Amino acid sequence: KNQVEQSPQSLIILEGKNCTLQCNYTVSPFSNLRWYKQDTGRGPVSLTIMTFSENTKSNRRYTATLDADTKQSSLHITASQLSDSASYICVVSGNNNDMRFGAGTRLTVKP
Amino acid sequence: GAVVSQHPSWVICKSGTSVKIECRSLDFQATTMFWYRQFPKQSLMLMATSNEGSKATYEQGVEKDKFLINHASLTLSTLTVTSAHPEDSSFYICSALDWNTGELFFGEGSRLTVL
Repeated sequence: KNQVEQSPQSLIILEGKNCTLQCNYTVSPFSNLRWYKQDTGRGPVSLTIMTFSENTKSNRRYTATLDADTKQSSLHITASQLSDSASYICVVSGNNNDMRFGAGTRLTVKP
Repeated sequence: GAVVSQHPSWVICKSGTSVKIECRSLDFQATTMFWYRQFPKQSLMLMATSNEGSKATYEQGVEKDKFLINHASLTLSTLTVTSAHPEDSSFYICSALDWNTGELFFGEGSRLTVL
């Protein structure tokens, strides 16, 4: 079983709408959690990195939350744009740079 | 601008030949680099972890003699796909860990097509 589970697997929303992506993990001990955006055919780009003590972190229209007790994270996208269409990948790190990747959520924003 | 550079961005080769892909960290030293492959519409699959000056650690099911990884300096890691076959055609991505900041930066990927 993958140590990082993302949901939903895919999501289609209309431009301007909000959405929330989920990432649940079992990686332990926990070091940090990263969210990446990957456009088709490109390398992933970092959106945010969260450590144990951080609950919420915002970056423009992206807001990430982390509940280290329940081992859950979410990525909320506000006022979606067509350019938000991409795969969003959750990466959880344990000790010794041991990184575990979620399978990603493929988001499609339609006009 | 990009802080991790991959080269080439795309390559086409004949079956049986070997292909080398380079991954460079441009603005920082990366003691650890990672190599992944990604098939269309699928998630990244970690192939191996590369530590400068030591042998790479391969994930289960990845042939180390097929995918040669060298991390000879703090800014360069290379992946060589040996005796490539059409089933090796994929998108190969590297990432580099900035030890000072903890940031993980990805390259833009290299698309390999084996004819």
